[in-house]
Amino acid sequence: DAGITQSPRYKITETGRQVTLMCHQTWSHSYMFWYRQDLGHGLRLIYYSAAADITDKGEVPDGYVVSRSKTENFPLTLESATRSQTSVYFCASSESVVSSTDTQYFGPGTRLTVL
Amino acid sequence: AQKITQTQPGMFVQEKEAVTLDCTYDTSDPSYGLFWYKQPSSGEMIFLIYQGSYDQQNATEGRYSLNFQKARKSANLVISASQLGDSAMYFCAMRDYNKLIFGAGTRLAVHP
Repeated sequence: DAGITQSPRYKITETGRQVTLMCHQTWSHSYMFWYRQDLGHGLRLIYYSAAADITDKGEVPDGYVVSRSKTENFPLTLESATRSQTSVYFCASSESVVSSTDTQYFGPGTRLTVL
Repeated sequence: AQKITQTQPGMFVQEKEAVTLDCTYDTSDPSYGLFWYKQPSSGEMIFLIYQGSYDQQNATEGRYSLNFQKARKSANLVISASQLGDSAMYFCAMRDYNKLIFGAGTRLAVHP
């Protein structure tokens, strides 16, 4: 199906484990983003990518690693999960960030619980 | 720094009536874009409407319209003829180059 998908949709893990959240988009958008949504903080940018092999930190990057070997995929890895990383994670994509009209489209989200 | 403020944590409206969700913003950039997203209980973020700072007319998309008052730095979302399916969280957001800055959101409940 066309659009932006995330997997898994729900994940429970334990402190210290490595977890990878997957994001896939079929629009061939250049830009992809990872946000986390927490009560009281709204959505905050973790990492973003302007193209394959180009990534950069956002507002809250600590504890996360990203890669982008293909345009359509943008996985987010928690190298050693902590309870503070319990959150809902959203992947988004957009064609560009040059114009203020460039809309970001979001995936369905992954609800991650770290015990 | 850019900032989005949504001062209404919760709103309710009767079905078929109109409702306005408030959003104010702060930016020093002359060119900017404002967005509204809907987040139903299922959790996904759904793009609703966009307003550019240089747009001469208020944006409209079906039952959604944006009351853009540039001098007041407000971009309120108006939903006409509310439906039960409009019950959700609504977020106002502003583009800040590579990211969106979101407000805290307003939870809308539509009553039959």
